[in-house]
Amino acid sequence: AQSVTQLGSHVSVSEGALVLLRCNYSSSVPPYLFWYVQYPNQGLQLLLKYTSAATLVKGINGFEAEFKKSETSFHLTKPSAHMSDAAEYFCAVSPGFQKLVFGTGTRLLVSP
Amino acid sequence: DGGITQSPKYLFRKEGQNVTLSCEQNLNHDAMYWYRQDPGQGLRLIYYSQIVNDFQKGDIAEGYSVSREKKESFPLTVTSAQKNPTAFYLCASSIGAGQPQHFGDGTRLSIL
Repeated sequence: AQSVTQLGSHVSVSEGALVLLRCNYSSSVPPYLFWYVQYPNQGLQLLLKYTSAATLVKGINGFEAEFKKSETSFHLTKPSAHMSDAAEYFCAVSPGFQKLVFGTGTRLLVSP
Repeated sequence: DGGITQSPKYLFRKEGQNVTLSCEQNLNHDAMYWYRQDPGQGLRLIYYSQIVNDFQKGDIAEGYSVSREKKESFPLTVTSAQKNPTAFYLCASSIGAGQPQHFGDGTRLSIL
């Protein structure tokens, strides 16, 4: 069965610091991988997606993620956190053309 | 602009009552999904539909029902059999299974 593990339900950073949100997946076939962001009382917005092209994927709002097959990881990074990045982030996996499986989310807290 | 519209934004249910959550999309997407979101549990799939007049149960379908009579619409009914319906409900759509999903802004359901 396919699954996603997001390490850390909460991550705290200072404004201007590096953001690193971890995601590990399991999939029996080459996966499609996604990162979504959710602001309070809103739906999810797609940040970026990996679909077997370049392993380093650039998304919106300065975020990027690197697909590492050997580590079954797809960690999300941003060089410098902004207060507006405070939100909940979800990693999701889709093995082949099957439906998405979401992780339990990581809440990013940004302090001034 | 194309998108997904969920209504109402807030909904209250009395004991023993069925309530229906609306989801409409004008993205011309074939696939539509309903998720339930509870704090700390991420998104759990209730039902999904890959084509009109066809739908499948997700991981937590008990106490819920859906219909897909039109491509644009995928209403979710929370029946009285769902004993713990208080949650945030999200509707999504995609071009097809495994493709990036676009989300509505959700409906928050509470019990009176």
